Amino acid sequence: GAVVSQHPSRVICKSGTSVKIECRSLDFQATTMFWYRQFPKQSLMLMATSNEGSKATYEQGVEKDKFLINHASLTLSTLTVTSAHPEDSSFYICSATLTVHEQYFGPGTRLTVT
Amino acid sequence: QKEVEQNSGPLSVPEGAIASLNCTYSDRGSQSFFWYRQYSGKSPELIMSIYSNGDKEDGRFTAQLNKASQYVSLLIRDSQPSDSATYLCAVNAKGGSEKLVFGKGMKLTVNP
Repeated sequence: GAVVSQHPSRVICKSGTSVKIECRSLDFQATTMFWYRQFPKQSLMLMATSNEGSKATYEQGVEKDKFLINHASLTLSTLTVTSAHPEDSSFYICSATLTVHEQYFGPGTRLTVT
Repeated sequence: QKEVEQNSGPLSVPEGAIASLNCTYSDRGSQSFFWYRQYSGKSPELIMSIYSNGDKEDGRFTAQLNKASQYVSLLIRDSQPSDSATYLCAVNAKGGSEKLVFGKGMKLTVNP
C-alpha cells in the first residue's frame, strides 16, 4: 500500500512554456499532499502544502503565481510551472500523507528547461 | 540551532558491519520521527517510523528514539552494498502542522 505516482517522470521544455506535473495516490486517499524541489546534491526543499478543496499553502520565497497547485480530488494534485526558465530545472517530488505525518513520496519528475 | 541536524558524513562501512546514523532535533514537542532512504537520482523512500521512546526493529533496521536527549538514530545491521544511499531523518514540524522537517541527509557507502 501507500503508492504515490507522478507523471511525467522526465520532461524537457523550452524557456517560457508551462509544464504540468501530476501526483496521484494510487491506493489511498490523501487529504494532504506536498510538493518538494531538490537541486543536485542538496536536500529536499518544501515548496507548498496542498489540501483537497482548498488553496495551497506556499513556503516563504516560493512564488504562488509561478508554481500553480491544484488539489482537485483526494487522490490527485497537480503542479504547473508557468513560464519556465532554465533556473527552474530541478527534480520535483510530491508526497502524500497516509497517516498523520507519515509521508510517502512519488518517484519524482526531472524537469529540464532549455 | 537547526531544527533537525544530521552529521553530513559521508559514512563508509565494510559489508557486514553495523552502520549507525544519528539525528538530533530541537523541538521538545516533536512526536513523529522518520528515516527515509534516498538512492542517487531517486525520490526518498520511507524505511522506518518511530513515535515512542526505545527501540523499534524491522529486519536489519533498528530505529532508536530518546526524547529526553532529543535524539533519534538508525542502525543498519549486516550492511549490504545495496544499502549505499543517502539517509534522511525527518521530524514533524511545530504547531500541529502535517509538514515534516528534514535533515540534510547522511550519505552511506557500504564497501564490498
